Order: sequence, then structure tokens, then C-alpha cells
Amino acid sequence: DAGVIQSPRHEVTEMGQEVTLRCKPISGHDYLFWYRQTMMRGLELLIYFNNNVPIDDSGMPEDRFSAKMPNASFSTLKIQPSEPRDSAVYFCASSFGQTSNQPQHFGDGTRLSIL
Amino acid sequence: SQQGEEDPQALSIQEGENATMNCSYKTSINNLQWYRQNSGRGLVHLILIRSNEREKHSGRLRVTLDTSKKSSSLLITASRAADTASYFCAPVNTGGFKTIFGAGTRLFVKA
Repeated sequence: DAGVIQSPRHEVTEMGQEVTLRCKPISGHDYLFWYRQTMMRGLELLIYFNNNVPIDDSGMPEDRFSAKMPNASFSTLKIQPSEPRDSAVYFCASSFGQTSNQPQHFGDGTRLSIL
Repeated sequence: SQQGEEDPQALSIQEGENATMNCSYKTSINNLQWYRQNSGRGLVHLILIRSNEREKHSGRLRVTLDTSKKSSSLLITASRAADTASYFCAPVNTGGFKTIFGAGTRLFVKA
């Protein structure tokens, strides 16, 4: 079975540029999560969706960040404009059902470097 | 939702030894999950223990849960170099929709 697929695996861009990260969850999963991981702050939950609807975006750091899930098999996280402090590894995860009973399945992340 | 706190922050052992990592949390839980993260990879779910369970095994992994002390431990027996990774606990509240991860325990197993 294919796991959660993220693209690109690495992204290097200059500050001010728009960055789009992509995620394909596991087929049949109804929850999708976006995380950011840095050495300083650890793993932070940015936003999560249920059945393509954003449920909680309280972790989104600023208005520069936006996430969409146009259908059950695709989600994007966009940063516009990007800043050096956005450099981090961004993970997407999906689960079937509430996380109170189900594990999350993570992609291998996108390593983002903003110069 | 709540965050688990792992202890120790880092652990270095020889191959073949056992590794024990601890997790503490603050409020009542529905279950507690343990994840592993290898360098450069995403988190991988290891095991889930429910609040009414005290111990659970999976291969070389043994997880215990003490709800009266609000703590859990993960024991890896006969460790291998491939067990080198960061380990995270995730306490999940009843009806919890999101998981908050702590800083993790970084385990290094020397060959």
C-alpha cells in the first residue's frame, strides 16, 4: 500500500517567494494533518482537516500560511511570502477516524529552506 | 488535547542492552500512543495502549501505563543499531481530534 506522499522532498527558495507543499493522503483516510518540525520548537500541528473541511487552524503561525484540501486525495500548504524563519521540515499525516482511536500515518516530509 | 513529556531527552546504549523511555502527561486520557522517527523520515506509529490497559507488547517493545501516576514507559529489549531514532509519546484525550507531540527521546544504539 502506498503511504502518505509528499512533494517536493526538498525545496530551496529565496525569501519573498511563494512556496507550495503538496500531500496525498492514504486512500480512504478522512483526517489530514499538517505539521512543522524544527529543532527549536519540535513538532507543531499547523492545521487538520476532516472530510476535506478544515477543522482547526489555530496552529497556523500567520496569515502568510494557508492550506487547502480540494478533494479527499490532495492537500496543499502554501506560504506567501516566505521568510527565512519558515525554514523547517513540513510533514503531512493522515488517519482513518479520530486520532483518539487511530494512529496517524506520516509522509517523509518536505525539507524547506528559505534563503 | 495535551502534550506528553518524554524523559530522558537523550539516551545512549550499547547494542544488546535494553532501553527505557518514560512519558508523563497531565490529564485523563483515552489512550497513549508511541511513535518512532528515524533521521530524515516521518514518524511511524509503534503501539497504542488504552487507558484500561496496564501493559502491552509488540515484538521487542513493551509499553506500560500507570494512569494513577499519569505516566507511561516504553521498553525496547535487546536493542539494535537500527533502533537509533527519536521516540515520541502522544497522550490522547477522550474524543481527541488532534495529537500534540513532545520533544521526544533521542536514542542512540552503539554497535
